[in-house]
Amino acid sequence: GQQVMQIPQYQHVQEGEDFTTYCNSSTTLSNIQWYKQRPGGHPVFLIQLVKSGEVKKQKRLTFQFGEAKKNSSLHITATQTTDVGTYFCVRGAQKLVFGQGTRLTINP
Amino acid sequence: ETGVTQTPRHLVMGMTNKKSLKCEQHLGHNAMYWYKQSAKKPLELMFVYNFKEQTENNSVPSRFSPECPNSSHLFLHLHTLQPEDSALYLCASSQATGNQPQHFGDGTRLSIL
Repeated sequence: GQQVMQIPQYQHVQEGEDFTTYCNSSTTLSNIQWYKQRPGGHPVFLIQLVKSGEVKKQKRLTFQFGEAKKNSSLHITATQTTDVGTYFCVRGAQKLVFGQGTRLTINP
Repeated sequence: ETGVTQTPRHLVMGMTNKKSLKCEQHLGHNAMYWYKQSAKKPLELMFVYNFKEQTENNSVPSRFSPECPNSSHLFLHLHTLQPEDSALYLCASSQATGNQPQHFGDGTRLSIL
C-alpha cells in the first residue's frame, strides 16, 4: 500500500510552544489514524478520522482531516515534556500503512 | 497495560540459534499482526492473521516463521537469522482486519550476534 508522507521528520520545540505535524497523500484516504510512540515504547492509538473536514480534539491535541480527504494534521497546543515521542499518521485501508512519523523532542 | 503481552522483552541470539517470540492478547480481538521496527525504516508489516488464518505475508524471508494456534496467541519462530534482522518486533491485535485501530505490545528487542 502507498505510504502517506509526513512532515516534518523531526521537530524540536521549547516546552510551552505549539507543534504541528502534517500528513499528505496523493490519493483519497478512506480514513486516517494517528498513533504516538514514546521513546522506548510501542505505538499507541490516538484517534481515527473518517469524515471529510472532520476535526477532533483530545485536550491539547487537535486532529483535522482535509476536505478532500488527502491530508491530515495533528496540532499540539502548549507542549509539555510528556508529549515527547514519534507521531505517526497511518493510512487505513485493507491494512494499516505506517509512514515515517514525526519525532518530537522538547526542551524543558 | 495494553492487553497485548509479548515475551521475551529482550533477546540476544547467534545466527545459528532457533528461538521463538510469543504474543498473547486479552482483548477478544480476531486479528493479530507482526511488525518489524528498525532504526532507519518505517514500521514494516510482516504478517497478518485473521481468525487464526494467515491473510498476509509481506514478502518476509522464510527464516521467519509465524504460527497462530488460536485468535489469542501468535508466535514468530526464528532460525538462522542475519545481523540485519536485529530490530524491535512488535505484535498488535485488532477487532478485525482492515482499518480497525490496532493495539500493540511492548515488543521484543532482538539482537543478532
